Amino acid sequence: EVQLMESGGGLVQPGGSLRLSCAASGFTFSDYWMSWVRQTAGKGLEWVANINQGGSEKHYVDSVKGRFTISRDNAQNSLYLQMNSLRAEDTAVYYCARDAGSSGWFYWGQGTQVTVSS
Amino acid sequence: DVVMTQSPLSLPVTLGQPASISCRSSQSLVYSDGNTYLTWFQQRPGQSPRRLLYKVSNRDSGVPDRFSGSGSGTDFTLKISRVEAEDVGVYYCMQGTHWPHTFGQGTKLEIK
Repeated sequence: EVQLMESGGGLVQPGGSLRLSCAASGFTFSDYWMSWVRQTAGKGLEWVANINQGGSEKHYVDSVKGRFTISRDNAQNSLYLQMNSLRAEDTAVYYCARDAGSSGWFYWGQGTQVTVSS
Repeated sequence: DVVMTQSPLSLPVTLGQPASISCRSSQSLVYSDGNTYLTWFQQRPGQSPRRLLYKVSNRDSGVPDRFSGSGSGTDFTLKISRVEAEDVGVYYCMQGTHWPHTFGQGTKLEIK
């Protein structure tokens, strides 16, 4: 059974940093592109970043470029999102998801809440 | 970015009655490979999104056949033939043809 479990969310002040982790199981992690997708109360669902199987290719939505870094450790079956210079508008539930190419994501984690507030 | 516009945003439906959600894109979703990458997700209260349909009309495993998708180009529709209580939630369309992939605002389906 495919499982994705996020951790690392919490309350952080504007300008602060946070690192999210996603532990994957039930499939060969190194065979798949992986994504982070977030959900805010105001803007709904938004794809944030994705990374290829080996970690050499990464893509980001414009609003997080230069501030967020996606990475992975295939030996540990783990996906990460390093978030720096956090802003109030980054407040969201962050989901880890296994890419299905241009057809979105079939497998999602349960999400981790990130709140940016002073 | 491609803008996805859903309507209505709120959809009260009587149990057993049909429901229909419209999704329009600001650009054609036909990709160079001939496919149209329009996906529908369901999000039940307190749960993560669940993919229902991909490439306009392909149902995912475990999705009841009362859910169907149609459309082409920039105009798409999700239909539920007979709404059941478990269908309550928010429905999102998403385009995967252009980067970045973008979602509609969501349509909240509730039982009247």
